[in-house]
Amino acid sequence: DAGVIQSPRHEVTEMGQEVTLRCKPISGHNSLFWYRQTMMRGLELLIYFNNNVPIDDSGMPEDRFSAKMPNASFSTLKIQPSEPRDSAVYFCASSLLGKETQYFGPGTRLLVL
Amino acid sequence: AQRVTQPEKLLSVFKGAPVELKCNYSYSGSPELFWYVQYSRQRLQLLLRHISRESIKGFTADLNKGETSFHLKKPFAQEEDSAMYYCAKDNYGQNFVFGPGTRLSVLP
Repeated sequence: DAGVIQSPRHEVTEMGQEVTLRCKPISGHNSLFWYRQTMMRGLELLIYFNNNVPIDDSGMPEDRFSAKMPNASFSTLKIQPSEPRDSAVYFCASSLLGKETQYFGPGTRLLVL
Repeated sequence: AQRVTQPEKLLSVFKGAPVELKCNYSYSGSPELFWYVQYSRQRLQLLLRHISRESIKGFTADLNKGETSFHLKKPFAQEEDSAMYYCAKDNYGQNFVFGPGTRLSVLP
């Protein structure tokens, strides 16, 4: 198994542009998590899904952020419009429902100019 | 709210010296605690979890319910241990709460 796959690995965009981050969880996993990592705030949980259903999105910073999981093998995190303070590394992780070990993707490094 | 604290943002030690990365958590009955590590330019990965009581890469962590702590220890630090370390707590099997992380720098 290739593990959790995220794309793109790096994204540089200008303020105001729409950014879409993608994640493919490990096959068979039914929980998916989106995290943001910054130097100032460390690792923060943004949202997580169980069986493709969003369970807790209280970590999503504001309405500019949205996440979807149309099927068990794909999820997106969208920022529209993007702002410089959104610059961070965004991680996706997946796990088996009810199991504590999460497997993290390599992350997407986002830079908003 | 569930919380995990790591008081040190940066910890520097010399090679061969003992290292202890501190982690405290908010009380929640029977917690599940973990340590994750991120080496430079690599993905975040699980280092160890308290339930398995294992030693990985020379690191151990003991859950102290009285002090609500789960400090990560290694008797002799190596340069390759330099990384970002996150303490995490399982939140009733639903999601994780991560600490802010401690950057360990092992000096030659």
